[in-house]
Amino acid sequence: NAGVTQTPKFRVLKTGQSMTLLCAQDMNHEYMYWYRQDPGMGLRLIHYSVGEGTTAKGEVPDGYNVSRLKKQNFLLGLESAAPSQTSVYFCASSYYIGLAGSNEQFFGPGTRLTVL
Amino acid sequence: DAKTTQPNSMESNEEEPVHLPCNHSTISGTDYIHWYRQLPSQGPEYVIHGLTSNVNNRMASLAIAEDRKSSTLILHRATLRDAAVYYCISPQGGKLIFGQGTELSVKP
Repeated sequence: NAGVTQTPKFRVLKTGQSMTLLCAQDMNHEYMYWYRQDPGMGLRLIHYSVGEGTTAKGEVPDGYNVSRLKKQNFLLGLESAAPSQTSVYFCASSYYIGLAGSNEQFFGPGTRLTVL
Repeated sequence: DAKTTQPNSMESNEEEPVHLPCNHSTISGTDYIHWYRQLPSQGPEYVIHGLTSNVNNRMASLAIAEDRKSSTLILHRATLRDAAVYYCISPQGGKLIFGQGTELSVKP
């Protein structure tokens, strides 16, 4: 059981370049999430998905797009990277238990992205 | 939204108990309290959660006040490995809203 994995672990982009971050989970979770964490701050939710084929906006969605074509994968795309998107990106997944707020989230190890 | 308030930092000695407080005065009757921690250079990991009564697991205990306006995460014997940022969160619609958390340092 690998849990939640993220690819790549590190990446350096130039302003205006595009890239896709991949998150994969092998726990058959319904919910998946993308967060960003800036230095000295807590995590902020970018986008999330409550099931295959669905996506929804979180707190800070601007400049990012996501897709959930397969239940086990959640992709985060940056179409035109900006220095303000330099951050550590975490993916997470959780079961749907039915009672909102009672589901534990499992996090990946993170992707450190630098935009020059 | 059930906003949570935590001290920015706390210190503990190794092998002593640690009590990490959290205030959540605007919590509703059906809002859970979750605790996560983030070790240096790692993603957050779930610690414990509860609704009304005190909860125990292999990592920690969670004591929830009778009026549910505050809670305390208890690490019974702190180890150096427990040095981390601890987040107290009340999930809203299944979503976690992270604050800045409490940075716990553990002295040998």
